[in-house]
Amino acid sequence: GAVVSQHPSRVICKSGTSVKIECRSLDFQATTMFWYRQFPKQSLMLMATSNEGSKATYEQGVEKDKFLINHASLTLSTLTVTSAHPEDSSFYICSAREPGSPLHFGNGTRLTVT
Amino acid sequence: EDQVTQSPEALRLQEGESSSLNCSYTVSGLRGLFWYRQDPGKGPEFLFTLYSAGEEKEKERLKATLTKKESFLHITAPKPEDSATYLCAVHTYGNKLVFGAGTILRVKS
Repeated sequence: GAVVSQHPSRVICKSGTSVKIECRSLDFQATTMFWYRQFPKQSLMLMATSNEGSKATYEQGVEKDKFLINHASLTLSTLTVTSAHPEDSSFYICSAREPGSPLHFGNGTRLTVT
Repeated sequence: EDQVTQSPEALRLQEGESSSLNCSYTVSGLRGLFWYRQDPGKGPEFLFTLYSAGEEKEKERLKATLTKKESFLHITAPKPEDSATYLCAVHTYGNKLVFGAGTILRVKS
């Protein structure tokens, strides 16, 4: 079945630095990938839709200059949290879908900004 | 506004004690309803897709059902390894995937 790989699983960074998270579709091509954020005991909130070869579509309230998304190939999307602050600490999860199949998720990245 | 509400927020069961989780939705239009299982520190794992009222899907001790307003995830004779957060998500006609907040299930042996 479809597999989505996300890396790293955990990252700790200092305030003001940038962090890049990778999301790969391992056995299928994904023209669209999705980035979610999840706070403890809360549901997944869609941040943006990543489109291969074009600009990402951001949800209302998500700062596109802070959360940079690049979808340079059909199997890789990256999310870069720029100038991270403690309030950016969260669980970030990517997902992708083969046509006609349900959405599959990566295992998430726990970001802690100190 | 599209809304997906899951209940209860948390559920504690004894091993073997069957129960049901609820997912009620108010959306612009239903293209599909999904159930996922999420273990702590992990991404959601796909369980079922339901597309129309009356549809049922089964997998081991789990059975998902769908009506026009809600879905149930029935757990029969649960085991401790069924402990997880169960998420419901609705794919709307607006091509959005709206998640509920989840039900945290704990099964004690």
